Amino acid sequence: GAGVSQSPSNKVTEKGKDVELRCDPISGHTALYWYRQSLGQGLEFLIYFQGNSAPDKSGLPSDRFSAERTGGSVSTLTIQRTQQEDSAVYLCASSFTGEGQFFGPGTRLTVL
Amino acid sequence: GEDVEQSLFLSVREGDSSVINCTYTDSSSTYLYWYKQEPGAGLQLLTYIFSNMDMKQDQRLTVLLNKKDKHLSLRIADTQTGDSAIYFCAESIGEYGNKLVFGAGTILRVKS
Repeated sequence: GAGVSQSPSNKVTEKGKDVELRCDPISGHTALYWYRQSLGQGLEFLIYFQGNSAPDKSGLPSDRFSAERTGGSVSTLTIQRTQQEDSAVYLCASSFTGEGQFFGPGTRLTVL
Repeated sequence: GEDVEQSLFLSVREGDSSVINCTYTDSSSTYLYWYKQEPGAGLQLLTYIFSNMDMKQDQRLTVLLNKKDKHLSLRIADTQTGDSAIYFCAESIGEYGNKLVFGAGTILRVKS
């Protein structure tokens, strides 16, 4: 079966622009997560969606970051007014139980 | 706060066993995980262990958990060059164990 997919795979943007990153989770997985991976900070939790519950946004670094999950499936992570420190690989994961989160290939974001 | 620590680098010869160690801080973690990341790739779930277990074996992989010392290890038997990658230990935290806190990763280099 298909794994988690993310698009685009690479995104280069100019400082101050908005970007949208997309995640398609594994079909049937009720939970969806966003993390980011950067050299300085390692792997950091950003946000978590579970079914119809309110998302856990406790990892979002600033109010420039937001995420939606439509219809319990596809999710979009939006970064407004991007800054150079936002440059990182943004990883999406999904799960059905606690027995593991399955990660997509990531979107590499470069802010010039 | 939550913290996961790993040694940064391990070098072994092909055919030897590799042991990667990890310490974590959250004693309420329900699951602990090992992920593998190859260059330019996403995170691959290797294995996990439930917190009430001491050991789990899965083919060449053996996970040992010492809950008292909050110590987790991953043993790879008969290490192959294809095992060269970064290995991340992660603990699950939060009310529903839905967030992963990752270590910085251990670079495993396998010499032929």
